[in-house]
Amino acid sequence: EPEVTQTPSHQVTQMGQEVILRCVPISNHLYFYWYRQILGQKVEFLVSFYNNEISEKSEIFDDQFSVERPDGSNFTLKIRSTKLEDSAMYFCATEQERTEAFFGQGTRLTVV
Amino acid sequence: AQTVTQSQPEMSVQEAETVTLSCTYDTSESDYYLFWYKQPPSRQMILVIRQEAYKQQNATENRFSVNFQKAAKSFSLKISDSQLGDAAMYFCARSLYGQNFVFGPGTRLSVLP
Repeated sequence: EPEVTQTPSHQVTQMGQEVILRCVPISNHLYFYWYRQILGQKVEFLVSFYNNEISEKSEIFDDQFSVERPDGSNFTLKIRSTKLEDSAMYFCATEQERTEAFFGQGTRLTVV
Repeated sequence: AQTVTQSQPEMSVQEAETVTLSCTYDTSESDYYLFWYKQPPSRQMILVIRQEAYKQQNATENRFSVNFQKAAKSFSLKISDSQLGDAAMYFCARSLYGQNFVFGPGTRLSVLP
């Protein structure tokens, strides 16, 4: 069964450092998303991406965040200068059509 | 605001028994999708079941079924013959056609042996 793959599974970084979270979508999927889940809280939408551009973003997705699909396969989330409150589980999700998102296993980001 | 509400932060069920998790949502749209996702301790997000709003028939996947009440904007999940492996956080989610998912706050389900 096809799946969305995220790397790394766990990333520890120092406050102020840049991190890049990677996602390999299912091959024929066109819509890509990043969500985050702070420990013990609900899953929050960050950004959606379609046709090589951001289609929607939430208030959380401020200037320190960026997304791109540099090589047509990987879909990345970059956090430029991490803060302690960025510690969370980050989920990538992809869709072929806007009906069912397939989630990756998540990347646990710990900012120290 | 478009919201999804899960009024039960925690639920427990005896193994082999049946449990129902509640979910209500808010939308002015007539065409949308509803989902239940399971999040085990590994914190993956696993699709349990989905329902298209235009379908009156309740979705069923093996031991999992939903009670979809469109007028009441209610979407409850019934787990029959509960198993120890069902223990997890369960998130209800709504997706409007062409828009992203909105998740509820989750219900933590414990299964007692």
